[in-house]
Order: sequence, then C-alpha cells, then structure tokens
Amino acid sequence: AQSVSQHNHHVILSEAASLELGCNYSYGGTVNLFWYVQYPGQHLQLLLKYFSGDPLVKGIKGFEAEFIKSKFSFNLRKPSVQWSDTAEYFCAVNGGFQKLVFGTGTRLLVSP
Amino acid sequence: DAGVIQSPRHEVTEMGQEVTLRCKPISGHDYLFWYRQTMMRGLELLIYFNNNVPIDDSGMPEDRFSAKMPNASFSTLKIQPSEPRDSAVYFCASSPSGPWGYTFGSGTRLTVV
Repeated sequence: AQSVSQHNHHVILSEAASLELGCNYSYGGTVNLFWYVQYPGQHLQLLLKYFSGDPLVKGIKGFEAEFIKSKFSFNLRKPSVQWSDTAEYFCAVNGGFQKLVFGTGTRLLVSP
Repeated sequence: DAGVIQSPRHEVTEMGQEVTLRCKPISGHDYLFWYRQTMMRGLELLIYFNNNVPIDDSGMPEDRFSAKMPNASFSTLKIQPSEPRDSAVYFCASSPSGPWGYTFGSGTRLTVV
C-alpha cells in the first residue's frame, strides 16, 4: 500500500528564512507527487506536481520541490519565506491509481 | 470556471439528525472524492467515484454514512443519524483522468451537538 510520511509536524520560521519540508513516500512503482497548501480556514490548493521529466519542479508563489527517486523523497523548498506562507502543507502521492494518499501535514508558522 | 462547489459551508445539527452535504464537481472531471478532515486524524478519504460509479468506499466509517452520485454534476454525502464524533470539515474534490491532481471545494464544516 502507498503511504506518505511528513516528519515535520510543526515548523516555525522567521520571515526571509529558507524553508525545506520533508516528504517521503513508499511505493515501488511509477508515482505522481503533489504538494498542496491549506491557508487558515481555507481549502487545499495545489502548489506543484511532478509526474515525469525534470525532477526539480517549480510551483506557484516561489515554491519548488525535488523528486529524488533513490530516496523516495519529494521535499518542498522555498528560499525566503513570507508571513503569508503561514499555512499547512500536505504532500500526496498517486501510485498508478487515481486516488491520492496524503501525508499528515506540516504546519508552518512564519513570524514577521 | 466556478470550481468545485460545496454546500452548505457550515452546518450545525443535533445528534441523531440526518445531515446531507452536497457537491458539484468541475464540468468534465470524471472523478469525484469525498474527504474528511479532523485535527486528530488529518485528511481521510471516505469514498470516490469514477463516471458516477463508486469505486472505493473503504474509508466510509460506518453504515451511518452513505454517498451517491446520481449524475456527473452532483454528489451527496449523507450521515444518518449524526453523532458528535462526526464533527469535522468535509471536502469534496474532483479531477480529470490522469496525473493532474485534485481541485478541492471550500468544504463543509459540520458540527454535531
């Protein structure tokens, strides 16, 4: 069965700090990988996705993620966070079936 | 495109009452998903449909929960009877076939008192 692990449950950063959120998945076959963001009180929105090609994927709002197949990882990065990035971030994997399996999420708090 | 539309946005009901949540997927999306989000359990997939047919309902917690998709533009999630532990935010999402990810609706915040 597919599973997704997000090891950082809570992250606190100051504005302008760099961000890296970890995501590891377990699935032996071809995968499609996603990062979603949920701002306080809102629904999940797609940040970026990977399904083939360049393993470094760029998304909206300056976020990027790198797919490292050998490590089963898809970490999310941003070089300089803003207060408005305060949100919960979810990694998800789709391993050949249409349904996504989500991680437990990482709550990011950016202090001004 | 109006996106995935859910109603109501908030629902407060008394224990034992029937609750019906509604979802209109994006036109042309042939997959529809119902998720539940709580602090304790995170995001849980309850059920999903492909071309209006339920494919996997293994996440439906118990017989009190039922979901239908009578046509491509409408789905309901019903809880009968409702219990306080059903309090959560229920999200509907839709997607086209392929690795495109989901588009989520704004959710229904259900409170059962």
